[in-house]
Amino acid sequence: DTAVSQTPKYLVTQMGNDKSIKCEQNLGHDTMYWYKQDSKKFLKIMFSYNNKELIINETVPNRFSPKSPDKAHLNLHINSLELGDSAVYFCASRLGLRTDTQYFGPGTRLTVL
Amino acid sequence: DQQVKQNSPSLSVQEGRISILNCDYTNSMFDYFLWYKKYPAEGPTFLISISSIKDKNEDGRFTVFLNKSAKHLSLHIVPSQPGDSAVYFCAASAGSNYQLIWGAGTKLIIKP
Repeated sequence: DTAVSQTPKYLVTQMGNDKSIKCEQNLGHDTMYWYKQDSKKFLKIMFSYNNKELIINETVPNRFSPKSPDKAHLNLHINSLELGDSAVYFCASRLGLRTDTQYFGPGTRLTVL
Repeated sequence: DQQVKQNSPSLSVQEGRISILNCDYTNSMFDYFLWYKKYPAEGPTFLISISSIKDKNEDGRFTVFLNKSAKHLSLHIVPSQPGDSAVYFCAASAGSNYQLIWGAGTKLIIKP
């Protein structure tokens, strides 16, 4: 059984397009995250939701909009894609707020042409 | 400004020997440290953690050592096995700030 799943795994698109990445976790966790792994391989947090409420919103362009329809889902919508958005995006979840083990999805490799 | 640094991009170790992965941090407020392991085309998976009130935590073949005065932690894997070949990330957090700050990772290659 997949604990944290993301779709799609690969996404190739043109500059200027709008795309979404979906994330679902079946662990019953309260907190979900979106990370971006940049070209230098750093994992940088973008957003965090706890019980469908936004609790962390790092400095990311407002072209990125997370949406959490319920505790088990955290989707990432990106408007007007730019070349610099090319990266691997990871979704993760954790039980509760206190920093502890985070469970990661397999990642979505986004390539903007 | 990198608050968590893994200065070795890669490390090659003979199977059966000890692998030592290092991590340095600059923020003295960090009080919780984690190691994650990542295989290609997969997300990171949690390996082991340590609280700042301890200086050592052991789990099977994996031991993490924390030297607070030096702001340094290390992950020891002994004996190293081929399945340990992966990228290892060090991460840290500070008090009520629940964010994890990540290092850039070290690619460990176990040679047969």
